[in-house]
Amino acid sequence: EVQLVESGGGLVQPGGSLRLSCAASGFTFSTYWMHWVRQAPGKGLVWVSRINSDGSSTTYADSVKGRFTGSRDNAKNTLYLQMNSLRTEDTAVYYCARAMSGTKNRMDVWGQGTTVTVS
Amino acid sequence: QSVLTQPPSESGAPGQRVTISCSGSSSNIGTYSVNWYQQLPGTAPKLLIYSSNERPSGVPDRFSGSKSGTSASLAISGLQSEDEADYYCAAWDGSLNGVLFGGGTKLTVL
Repeated sequence: EVQLVESGGGLVQPGGSLRLSCAASGFTFSTYWMHWVRQAPGKGLVWVSRINSDGSSTTYADSVKGRFTGSRDNAKNTLYLQMNSLRTEDTAVYYCARAMSGTKNRMDVWGQGTTVTVS
Repeated sequence: QSVLTQPPSESGAPGQRVTISCSGSSSNIGTYSVNWYQQLPGTAPKLLIYSSNERPSGVPDRFSGSKSGTSASLAISGLQSEDEADYYCAAWDGSLNGVLFGGGTKLTVL
């Protein structure tokens, strides 16, 4: 079964750091581009970052640029999001998502999300 | 400013057809394909339509998408109670160099 499982969320004070993980299974992780998308309580989806299949290229939303760093370990089938200098407005459920095979931005598999609270 | 504009809410009776619009610009919908996501209450989003009008396997053909110029739309025919969800359009934006999501449309089945 194709699956993404996020972890690492929690409560952190403003200015603090967290590292989110997304464990992939059921597919050849190393061949897929991956994304992070977040959703603040009661709000819509907001794209956060994208990383290419070998981890050599990352792209970020302006709101997190310089504070968040995306990476991946293809040997461990795991995607990461290092979040530094956290702000209250970063409070959200964070989803990792897989881009459809051969594409960069069609997110066809999503994790269940992990909650980050900055307070 | 790059944005994708959706109506906050739409509604329809069971069996009816509803359409959800998504308005963008030349830097996003005008150049790139549109994807639609369905988010049922309390769950993760699900890809519903990709490349503006293609359905992933398992998505009923009651769902269809279209694109014209800088706008796109999602149509749901034969509305069912289980279609009650939030729907989001999304597209790459060449100016932002990132994925842009619409604000979402809450669909209520009356």
